[in-house]
Amino acid sequence: NAGVTQTPKFQVLKTGQSMTLQCAQDMNHEYMSWYRQDPGMGLRLIHYSVGAGITDQGEVPNGYNVSRSTTEDFPLRLLSAAPSQTSVYFCASSYSHGQTTELFFGSGTQLSVL
Amino acid sequence: AQSVAQPEDQVNVAEGNPLTVKCTYSVSGNPYLFWYVQYPNRGLQFLLKYITGDNLVKGSYGFEAEFNKSQTSFHLKKPSALVSDSALYFCAVRVNNDMRFGAGTRLTVKP
Repeated sequence: NAGVTQTPKFQVLKTGQSMTLQCAQDMNHEYMSWYRQDPGMGLRLIHYSVGAGITDQGEVPNGYNVSRSTTEDFPLRLLSAAPSQTSVYFCASSYSHGQTTELFFGSGTQLSVL
Repeated sequence: AQSVAQPEDQVNVAEGNPLTVKCTYSVSGNPYLFWYVQYPNRGLQFLLKYITGDNLVKGSYGFEAEFNKSQTSFHLKKPSALVSDSALYFCAVRVNNDMRFGAGTRLTVKP
């Protein structure tokens, strides 16, 4: 099983550019989410989805959009990149959004905004 | 607010010695607590979780964690550390649709 697949692994953007980070899972998981990881701050939730067609904001949603047209895919869009969005981004999924279920993570996308 | 805290940024142990990585929590209601490990340039991997029942939870790679309600702690432990255990460890609590993480503890095991 591939699990959670993220592309690209690395990306450099100029301020103001837009791009989409891709995330796909093959485990038929109901719940998918995007986190950003910054040094000394752990991981913070950007957006999440509890099923196809349903998305909601997390702790740090500004500057990002998501959509969930299928169970498998959950892309993250940066609308107009800013240096503050330089970070490592992780997609994660779980079979439900229940509080007892663990997350499965992709390998991450390292994004630099110049 | 529902949260976890990891009081140590860095833990150093010698190979073969026991290791402990500390975590405390602040949760109203039942705490659902998790430990994850992150190796360099990789995503987080699930190690173990506490849901209910036995206070000693066993997980992957020989790790275990002790839930202590009176001290609001969920410390990660291993009886004998390996060099390959060197990594970044995160404690977390799942709150509704969010997994809230501590800042992480870097474990270094020296030969």
